[in-house]
Amino acid sequence: EPEVTQTPSHQVTQMGQEVILRCVPISNHLYFYWYRQILGQKVEFLVSFYNNEISEKSEIFDDQFSVERPDGSNFTLKIRSTKLEDSAMYFCASHRARGGTAEAFFGQGTRLTVV
Amino acid sequence: GQQLNQSPQSMFIQEGEDVSMNCTSSSIFNTWLWYKQDPGEGPVLLIALYKAGELTSNGRLTAQFGITRKDSFLNISASIPSDVGIYFCAGHLTGNQFYFGTGTSLTVIP
Repeated sequence: EPEVTQTPSHQVTQMGQEVILRCVPISNHLYFYWYRQILGQKVEFLVSFYNNEISEKSEIFDDQFSVERPDGSNFTLKIRSTKLEDSAMYFCASHRARGGTAEAFFGQGTRLTVV
Repeated sequence: GQQLNQSPQSMFIQEGEDVSMNCTSSSIFNTWLWYKQDPGEGPVLLIALYKAGELTSNGRLTAQFGITRKDSFLNISASIPSDVGIYFCAGHLTGNQFYFGTGTSLTVIP
């Protein structure tokens, strides 16, 4: 069964360092998302991406964040200069098509720990 | 952003009991989805609902899309220990993000 895969599963980084979180969405999906979840809290929207551009972003997704789809399969989230409060689980999700079934499938997540 | 409120926030039930949880929104959605999340894992899709009034089952799970399009509920019948986890509702409008509820934590006591 197709699935969304994320790497790494766990990343520890020093405050101020750049991190890149990687995702391979389901191959025939067109919409891609990043969400984050601080331990014990709800799942928060960061950004959605369609047709090679950001379609929506939240106030969390500030200038320190960027997304890219560098080739036909990968979808990355970059945090330029990490802060302690960026520590969270980051989930990638993909969804097939506008107007079609709206089932978003999530990856297993990357646990980011900023020290 | 849109607020989705789930209730109850947590539930402690005996194995074999039925469970009911719901989700309400201040705005309408075209799609309601229910996810289950195990500790340290990503949300796993359980049920998707596409029409107001729709009632859909997936094994012991049954979910309904409210008539007003602003609410949904999820029932789990005859709970078992592996039902333990956090259940999230999510609402979607075409072309928009998926808005997540606050979650219901379920504990099943054997």
